[in-house]
Amino acid sequence: DTAVSQTPKYLVTQMGNDKSIKCEQNLGHDTMYWYKQDSKKFLKIMFSYNNKELIINETVPNRFSPKSPDKAHLNLHINSLELGDSAVYFCASSQEPPPTSAPSTDTQYFGPGTRLTVL
Amino acid sequence: AQTVTQSQPEMSVQEAETVTLSCTYDTSESDYYLFWYKQPPSRQMILVIRQEAYKQQNATENRFSVNFQKAAKSFSLKISDSQLGDAAMYFCAYRSAPRTASKLTFGTGTRLQVTL
Repeated sequence: DTAVSQTPKYLVTQMGNDKSIKCEQNLGHDTMYWYKQDSKKFLKIMFSYNNKELIINETVPNRFSPKSPDKAHLNLHINSLELGDSAVYFCASSQEPPPTSAPSTDTQYFGPGTRLTVL
Repeated sequence: AQTVTQSQPEMSVQEAETVTLSCTYDTSESDYYLFWYKQPPSRQMILVIRQEAYKQQNATENRFSVNFQKAAKSFSLKISDSQLGDAAMYFCAYRSAPRTASKLTFGTGTRLQVTL
């Protein structure tokens, strides 16, 4: 009964390759996010989708393209991988705005992370 | 833009003792939320506690409590009766009050060690 799941958990690949990370949530939330955690453990937002619509797009290279086929899924595709893309990528979800009956559901819940290593 | 500062890169506490992790933030907004997340070696991000800025009462969750000082823009986390399982990175995070979507802005984290 995993709430937010990501696949794969580990991804090792060569520079220049294209790869995707998948995220799924079964919480019924309508907003999903991608965060990047660098080697110094700093976490920073990359993208956010609300009801399949791109809402937040921070300063991220065009090589990164999120895709949301439906509210429960947000995938991250990365083209032409570079050494600097090595990081842990976290997916998260929340309900925005939260219903009156569940005011805390705008809290973001995170997936287990995907450790991407580019060689 | 909002910023979150955690000035303690590492802290250590003995089992059963109490420790306080510091967090300050900068914002011009009046309505926002603050969070503490825990990241153990498994790297899973786990919500520890949440505080709404409009609430004067400090949030508590079992052994975890916060000291929220809105005027000082301070949001510290107190862990009582520390346990070995509390050893982790702790991140303070800020987000604007609910909009269609609102990002979390994180501090740089505090690594907590728990010793016997």
